[in-house]
Amino acid sequence: DGGITQSPKYLFRKEGQNVTLSCEQNLNHDAMYWYRQDPGQGLRLIYYSQIVNDFQKGDIAEGYSVSREKKESFPLTVTSAQKNPTAFYLCASSLEGGQVNYGYTFGSGTRLTVV
Amino acid sequence: SQQGEEDPQALSIQEGENATMNCSYKTSINNLQWYRQNSGRGLVHLILIRSNEREKHSGRLRVTLDTSKKSSSLLITASRAADTASYFCATDEYSGGGADGLTFGKGTHLIIQP
Repeated sequence: DGGITQSPKYLFRKEGQNVTLSCEQNLNHDAMYWYRQDPGQGLRLIYYSQIVNDFQKGDIAEGYSVSREKKESFPLTVTSAQKNPTAFYLCASSLEGGQVNYGYTFGSGTRLTVV
Repeated sequence: SQQGEEDPQALSIQEGENATMNCSYKTSINNLQWYRQNSGRGLVHLILIRSNEREKHSGRLRVTLDTSKKSSSLLITASRAADTASYFCATDEYSGGGADGLTFGKGTHLIIQP
């Protein structure tokens, strides 16, 4: 079955550490997105990529980095510069970038906690 | 960036009743979408309505869009316990062709009482 796989499901980070969240899709979608969700809040866009080897900052990109070396993979690194990283992170993909004509497919999320 | 705002923030109804949630947004859009999120899970796409459409149906879901009022509503008919979830509206802001991802509201938490 096609879909998006996020791993790990739970992740614990020590102060000052960088951690990388994995996002893989086998839907042959061009566009991929990373969102952050805090308790009781909506989703906020961190980074997005419309094609391979290209990505753009979203609304809250500070303290995060991404890469898009392969169409199916869009990993997110939470760096030590992100002062409040505890949150639920969601990866999504859509058939094409540009004007949104299709719904997004979401992964099941990674819950990151700073210890 | 603009953000949709859902209303109410929380809604509790009896099984079998209809549930209505509203969403307001601020600027011109290409389309508006509704998503469902079960606790601790990813979002599931429910329905997309384009800016030139006024109403759309999918199973027990009915979505309306009023671009003059910049608002949308999601109606779930004959609710079931499995409909308990948070519901989010998301907008694709019109920007002449470019797009920087959907903008989500804070959601309506729907509880269906058995």
